Amino acid sequence: DAKTTQPTSMDCAEGRAANLPCNHSTISGNEYVYWYRQIHSQGPQYIIHGLKNNETNEMASLIITEDRKSSTLILPHATLRDTAVYYCIVRPNAGNMLTFGGGTRLMVKP
Amino acid sequence: DAGITQSPRYKITETGRQVTLMCHQTWSHSYMFWYRQDLGHGLRLIYYSAAADITDKGEVPDGYVVSRSKTENFPLTLESATRSQTSVYFCASSAATVGYTFGSGTRLTVV
Repeated sequence: DAKTTQPTSMDCAEGRAANLPCNHSTISGNEYVYWYRQIHSQGPQYIIHGLKNNETNEMASLIITEDRKSSTLILPHATLRDTAVYYCIVRPNAGNMLTFGGGTRLMVKP
Repeated sequence: DAGITQSPRYKITETGRQVTLMCHQTWSHSYMFWYRQDLGHGLRLIYYSAAADITDKGEVPDGYVVSRSKTENFPLTLESATRSQTSVYFCASSAATVGYTFGSGTRLTVV
């Protein structure tokens, strides 16, 4: 399975864009990049996923580099409620299992 | 109500007792999963199921048993609870090509 590398923690000022990077240099074939977040004590929440093209939904934007070896999750106007652990995951071609790493702990500060 | 529900939300049990955590989803998703999350750590996959009557081990299956006789239910049983199984347990469901939806979790304490 492709491994992902994320910074352990990041800070962001409220109202500013939060840009969370993820490295997945061993990604291959048709493996998708998924992003989830986990707000304290809650179950993880799906944010967005993508294959090659940039994706946007009501929560966030996902920018995937042309070589697909890294991606960035963008929260355009971070709020205090976006404080959470953000997980970047590469879903393998075979099966439907997601392996969660350590993620990035994002702290949004007033 | 549509969704995925776990019960109980909180459970305290004694070492050596059998305990079953319940998970129910209303979407008829084919895939269901059980994860555990220890304090301050990430999620680890215990068992998963691709369809009714099909289950397989994840990363940390020892001490756990699952069954899936119906698509909507995926109970997790601790046959003889140990203190090391104190954790928060999350159930999730997924159709084959979309993301997971997680339940709210069961906080289990083994004393």
